[in-house]
Amino acid sequence: DTGVSQDPRHKITKRGQNVTFRCDPISEHNRLYWYRQTLGQGPEFLTYFQNEAQLEKSRLLSDRFSAERPKGSFSTLEIQRTEQGDSAMYLCASSANLGTVNTEAFFGQGTRLTVV
Amino acid sequence: AQSVTQLDSQVPVFEEAPVELRCNYSSSVSVYLFWYVQYPNQGLQLLLKYLSGSTLVKGINGFEAEFNKSQTSFHLRKPSVHISDTAEYFCAVRGSGGYQKVTFGTGTKLQVIP
Repeated sequence: DTGVSQDPRHKITKRGQNVTFRCDPISEHNRLYWYRQTLGQGPEFLTYFQNEAQLEKSRLLSDRFSAERPKGSFSTLEIQRTEQGDSAMYLCASSANLGTVNTEAFFGQGTRLTVV
Repeated sequence: AQSVTQLDSQVPVFEEAPVELRCNYSSSVSVYLFWYVQYPNQGLQLLLKYLSGSTLVKGINGFEAEFNKSQTSFHLRKPSVHISDTAEYFCAVRGSGGYQKVTFGTGTKLQVIP
C-alpha cells in the first residue's frame, strides 16, 4: 500500500448535478478525514470517521453533503445539487490510533472539483 | 478549539539563502504541531511534527522547526533553500488528548528565486 488514494483526481460538473468522490485510506488506518481546500486557503475540516462510525461533522457540511464509510475501509463523499461555491479541492486523509498513540494524518492527492 | 496563524502569505527568497516561515498557534490545551508541504495540484506531505520531547525537530528535505511554548510559535527554517523547495507550506495544530481534528493555517507560498 503506497498511501491514501483518491478518485477521481479531477471532476468537472454542471451546476445542479450530483458528484461522488472515493477515498481509499492506508490499509491499517482506522481513522479517515475529509477536508476541503479552496484557493488561497488552508484545508478546512469536513468530517471524520473512526472505522465505520462518522464521529464528527463540520458545520461546513451542509445537507447537500453526505459521507459514508460502510465497511470501515474506503469512504465516499457525495455532493448533491452542486453549486459553484462547491468548487474546491477535496482532500482525504487517514491515520492510525494505536492504543494511546495517535499518529499523524497522511493525505491523498485530492479531487479537484469544478462546478460550471 | 485551536487556531493557527501564518502571517506571511508569500515569502520570496533567493536560492541557497536561509528561510524562516512563521507560525503561531492558539490553544487552551497542550498540542501537537505539524508542518505540511503542498506542491501544485498535489495533496499534503508531512515535513515534520512536534509531539513531545525536544523542542527542535528535524524533518525531511533539510527543514527543521522549533516549538516555543511561551511564544506559542512553531517556526519552520531551512539554512539553504533550493529551487525544488518552491511550494506552499501549511502549519497545523491539534490537541494532544484522544481524538482531535487537525486545524490548518492559511499557508505560506515559498518562492525560491534562482
